[in-house]
Amino acid sequence: DGGITQSPKYLFRKEGQNVTLSCEQNLNHDAMYWYRQDPGQGLRLIYYSQIVNDFQKGDIAEGYSVSREKKESFPLTVTSAQKNPTAFYLCASSRNSGANVLTFGAGSRLTVL
Amino acid sequence: GQQVMQIPQYQHVQEGEDFTTYCNSSTTLSNIQWYKQRPGGHPVFLIQLVKSGEVKKQKRLTFQFGEAKKNSSLHITATQTTDVGTYFCAGETSGAGSYQLTFGKGTKLSVIP
Repeated sequence: DGGITQSPKYLFRKEGQNVTLSCEQNLNHDAMYWYRQDPGQGLRLIYYSQIVNDFQKGDIAEGYSVSREKKESFPLTVTSAQKNPTAFYLCASSRNSGANVLTFGAGSRLTVL
Repeated sequence: GQQVMQIPQYQHVQEGEDFTTYCNSSTTLSNIQWYKQRPGGHPVFLIQLVKSGEVKKQKRLTFQFGEAKKNSSLHITATQTTDVGTYFCAGETSGAGSYQLTFGKGTKLSVIP
């Protein structure tokens, strides 16, 4: 079955540590996205990529970094510069950036202790 | 920047009652999408509306897109416990190759059996 796989599902880290969240899709979608979800805040865009080796900052990119070396993969690193990293992180993909119907992964819940 | 306001934030209904959530955009949209997120789950695409004044139905769910393409609504007739979850609208604006899909903060629906 085609879909998006995010790992790990749950992650605990100490303050000051960098963390990388994995996102892999086998939908052959061109575009991929990272969203952050906090209670009552909806979904906020961190980064997106429309094509391999290119990505753009979203609304809340500070303290995060991404790479897009392969079409299937779009990992997100939560750096120590992110002041409030505890959140639910959702990866999504779409066929292209013209008709952005999103397919989401199951999410990764990061807790910083 | 573009803003999408969604109301109400929470709605508690008795099973069998109707439910409506509303979205309003600060700018004219090229399309609007609706997603549902079950408790503990991830957002799942429901529908996309593109045309001015468009109305689409999915069983007990009715989606509308305003004539000015700046507002939208989702109406559920005779709610069931399976309708529980958070409903998000997401408005897309036409951009010059950039990604501009903005999510509302969602309406969390609780259904009392």
